[in-house]
Parts: sequence; C-alpha cells; structure tokens
Amino acid sequence: DTEVTQTPKHLVMGMTNKKSLKCEQHMGHRAMYWYKQKAKKPPELMFVYSYEKLSINESVPSRFSPECPNSSLLNLHLHALQPEDSALYLCASSQGGQSGNTIYFGEGSWLTVV
Amino acid sequence: SQQGEEDPQALSIQEGENATMNCSYKTSINNLQWYRQNSGRGLVHLILIRSNEREKHSGRLRVTLDTSKKSSSLLITASRAADTASYFCATAVLGDTGRRALTFGSGTRLQVQP
Repeated sequence: DTEVTQTPKHLVMGMTNKKSLKCEQHMGHRAMYWYKQKAKKPPELMFVYSYEKLSINESVPSRFSPECPNSSLLNLHLHALQPEDSALYLCASSQGGQSGNTIYFGEGSWLTVV
Repeated sequence: SQQGEEDPQALSIQEGENATMNCSYKTSINNLQWYRQNSGRGLVHLILIRSNEREKHSGRLRVTLDTSKKSSSLLITASRAADTASYFCATAVLGDTGRRALTFGSGTRLQVQP
C-alpha cells in the first residue's frame, strides 16, 4: 500500500470544466511531484515542488496549474483541457530534492477529457 | 525527454523461469533505480544501485550496473505470476531548468504465465 494518497481515482471532465486533482503524503517528505502517463508509455515529469516551492516545470501548458498549499499537500488544477490530456496522473514524493532520491508514488488519478 | 531505453519492450515467460530486462541510459548518473508498475496502478520502488556499485541483490532481484557501457540489467529469478507488471529503470537527468529530476526509461512489460 502506498503512503501517497490521490483523489479522485477517476475523473471525467468536459473541455470547459474546471477540476482539481489532489495528493497528500504524511511521510515528512519535502519534495512532491506530478507525472503524466499515457498508456504503454513511461511516466513523464510535469512539475516538482521542493520545500513548497515550484522548482521544475517541464514546459507544461498553462491549462495545468500546480499548487502546494503545504508540505503535505499537492494539487493540480485543470482548466480547458483537451482530449489528448486524458491520461493517468501520478503524484509522488521524496525525502529531499530531486537528484536521484527514491520516489514514492500514489496510485494515480485516471483523467478522461470528453 | 526520455533518458533510457529498455529492452525487450515485452517479455513473456513461464512461472519458475528467470526474467532479464536491460536498460541503457545516456548521461552520467549518481544512481539508477528500478520501479515496478502493475497495470493501471502507481509505481513501486524496487531497488537503487549507486554509480560506484556493480551489483546489488534484494530477494529474488539482482541488479547490475555497467557505467562504462551506460547500462543496467534487472534479473528476476524464479518468476511468479504475481511478477507480471511493467518494469522501468530511472535516473536523475539534468533538465532544461538546470536541475536534475528522475526520468524513466521506456519500460519492459513482463508477462509470467502460470
């Protein structure tokens, strides 16, 4: 069982909707991540927060907006998405920064954009 | 961007056989990690091998690292049907932001037939 909790597990949204994905960890980790994964592909990094500050944005379109309210929580706000944004969105955390630390993943949120 | 390539892309074996997966990467690394992903689930960390290590064991897993060839292999011995999953190698890659972030290889889909 993972100690990174993601909600909701499944989300269907229209292209004009605004929704949010939520992630929580209580392992005291100071780095949190959002990855996007399409079917039969590896996870692709979207954002990294380190000590509650955005440290990496992998040129993600602005229709994806991350937010880190505190060291335990990470949100991904979604607005005006496209059908091609349908994917599994994985949240993860690690003890420190990003340089090769073991990352702990949540079970993911399946997003379908219609 | 994708750091590594894994081969084979897919592997089907019988229970009790050994499974070997290979990973090649492009840049210098501090360590290399292997993760497992059951279909549609989050990723689970399996093992981390440091750049100054050549081989590491964990239960039925054996990982080797050859930094001169920029390659690693994961061996699962005496495989079980429950080992059916996708396996990814991961390394910390220097991105456009000047920071390193964990990047995954293309993955090997392992099917263990009972």
